[in-house]
Amino acid sequence: DAGITQSPRHKVTETGTPVTLRCHQTENHRYMYWYRQDPGHGLRLIHYSYGVKDTDKGEVSDGYSVSRSKTEDFLLTLESATSSQTSVYFCAISESIPVSGRSGTGELFFGEGSRLTVL
Amino acid sequence: GQQVMQIPQYQHVQEGEDFTTYCNSSTTLSNIQWYKQRPGGHPVFLIQLVKSGEVKKQKRLTFQFGEAKKNSSLHITATQTTDVGTYFCAGLTGAGGANNLFFGTGTRLTVIP
Repeated sequence: DAGITQSPRHKVTETGTPVTLRCHQTENHRYMYWYRQDPGHGLRLIHYSYGVKDTDKGEVSDGYSVSRSKTEDFLLTLESATSSQTSVYFCAISESIPVSGRSGTGELFFGEGSRLTVL
Repeated sequence: GQQVMQIPQYQHVQEGEDFTTYCNSSTTLSNIQWYKQRPGGHPVFLIQLVKSGEVKKQKRLTFQFGEAKKNSSLHITATQTTDVGTYFCAGLTGAGGANNLFFGTGTRLTVIP
């Protein structure tokens, strides 16, 4: 398995509190991602990063912010957690972004996941 | 919104039976990726297909990309208990890019010994 560590692995918090999830990689991959996984929705992209201090929004970015101050770390912050943000959060990394028609690009390696419950 | 649909949602098979999951898109896909997630685990990349009509095999697993690049399938021959898990497809749209990869809802496979 790729060297990806997520912390915390489990967290229970209350509505309105800030939460930060951390993803740490030892693979020196350029691209890092945060996904959320919910029943009936599969995996949905929240934010991704294409380099230090370079980030962009994904499909479900509202209510989330990210930061990447070092190649190896990608933080996901919920400024004021809501019950709708109860989910399993996966960090992923890749050497390249997926390119149309090109095999061997955009292969995602996922971390173990962080289960967040917002009461 | 959801651009890639996957069926069935659940599948129970007797060990030794075959299994197929289907991935469908209303729009043409550039590439299709497949991932497997064991219960309580994280998704693990299996394969990527990029050509129309492409077929790839990994031991008992056969992956196919439709001629119109709007659908894909994963077929497992003679399932084993180690095949248990949820299988996800992920379709890439347009020229590519990190935010143009859309995951299907997954098919959860249960194998009865």
